[in-house]
Amino acid sequence: GDSVTQMEGPVTLSEEAFLTINCTYTATGYPSLFWYVQYPGEGLQLLLKATKADDKGSNKGFEATYRKETTSFHLEKGSVQVSDSAVYFCALFTQGGSEKLVFGKGMKLTVNP
Amino acid sequence: DTAVSQTPKYLVTQMGNDKSIKCEQNLGHDTMYWYKQDSKKFLKIMFSYNNKELIINETVPNRFSPKSPDKAHLNLHINSLELGDSAVYFCASSLAGPRTDTQYFGPGTRLTVL
Repeated sequence: GDSVTQMEGPVTLSEEAFLTINCTYTATGYPSLFWYVQYPGEGLQLLLKATKADDKGSNKGFEATYRKETTSFHLEKGSVQVSDSAVYFCALFTQGGSEKLVFGKGMKLTVNP
Repeated sequence: DTAVSQTPKYLVTQMGNDKSIKCEQNLGHDTMYWYKQDSKKFLKIMFSYNNKELIINETVPNRFSPKSPDKAHLNLHINSLELGDSAVYFCASSLAGPRTDTQYFGPGTRLTVL
């Protein structure tokens, strides 16, 4: 079945550090890929998405590129801020497959000033 | 305006009790979902309704029963609560049926079973 594997945390960084969160997937068909973010005490919010190979999603300084050849969708940000402290979830959705959002296990990021 | 709202935000109850969590969305979406997030932050879908019709029913104990009185509401009723039901429950919605990929989440309901 469809699945998402992402690096597990928790991870602690200093402000302005570079961030990479790895995500790989297994899916039948051609999935859409997502990063959702959960700030403390809140529900999940869509951060960015990509719907086909080589698409790059970007938002709030975060980027991720859909790599079909490596089945990956790694999240990057060049300079993190304290306000980026949150839990980050990689997810996929396959039409014609399971047709549901399948999430990775989430990674908690803490950014210190 | 809150797009997807849930009540209550916190729920503390004894084992064996029956409780309900309510969810409402004002986005005009056709599809609503319930997710369970465990203590390790792992998030898994439980149910999905499209226009009041059950679409996804994962392997969930039949103590959990979703009810959709209209397409803007999806409530979750839990009978005979157990310790293992303690989790954060998230409601979500999406635009035009389960084939729409982007979902919008509520703030969550933290259920603690004592």
